[in-house]
Amino acid sequence: AQSVTQLDSHVSVSEGTPVLLRCNYSSSYSPSLFWYVQHPNKGLQLLLKYTSAATLVKGINGFEAEFKKSETSFHLTKPSAHMSDAAEYFCVVTSYSSASKIIFGSGTRLSIRP
Amino acid sequence: EAQVTQNPRYLITVTGKKLTVTCSQNMNHEYMSWYRQDPGLGLRQIYYSMNVEVTDKGDVPEGYKVSRKEKRNFPLILESPSPNQTSLYFCASSWTGQTDTQYFGPGTRLTVL
Repeated sequence: AQSVTQLDSHVSVSEGTPVLLRCNYSSSYSPSLFWYVQHPNKGLQLLLKYTSAATLVKGINGFEAEFKKSETSFHLTKPSAHMSDAAEYFCVVTSYSSASKIIFGSGTRLSIRP
Repeated sequence: EAQVTQNPRYLITVTGKKLTVTCSQNMNHEYMSWYRQDPGLGLRQIYYSMNVEVTDKGDVPEGYKVSRKEKRNFPLILESPSPNQTSLYFCASSWTGQTDTQYFGPGTRLTVL
């Protein structure tokens, strides 16, 4: 079985300060991990993904995430928040052992203060 | 343009009246799936399909049916909708379900009265 937990339902940061969105996963086999972003009243877009290559993954718009197997974590970071980063972010886990199921976290809403 | 389309985008219906939400992709993807999005719960997978005529249950399949007769289409059927199926629905497609980027449709907001 596999699962994913996003540790914060809401994160608020000031513009220009770092962003940290936390994600922990559980998977019996080697997972693939993704972060997707959903802007208000929009569809979902891929930010970045980890699929057993480099553990530090760079994505679009300056975001990156590090796969830490020992901590079963895949936290999303950005050095400097921008107002346009305000959105909902979803951590996603899949694996070849999961009968092709795709599991989403419950989401983290990111707010940016001017 | 590569895209996933869903129709209708908005639907208000009454309990028990059968409805179908269509989904179509033009990327020749093998994997397609349906999700529902509810506040505080993220997206939950309803059904998925790894290829034509191959479908399987996700985490919340009760009350839904799907079919995959052609590679590009994956309709979601609610044979007897109930108010607890009021939700935002997304269709998505990808090459495989494990390591590939999913491409999402724009969503269908369904209200069942």
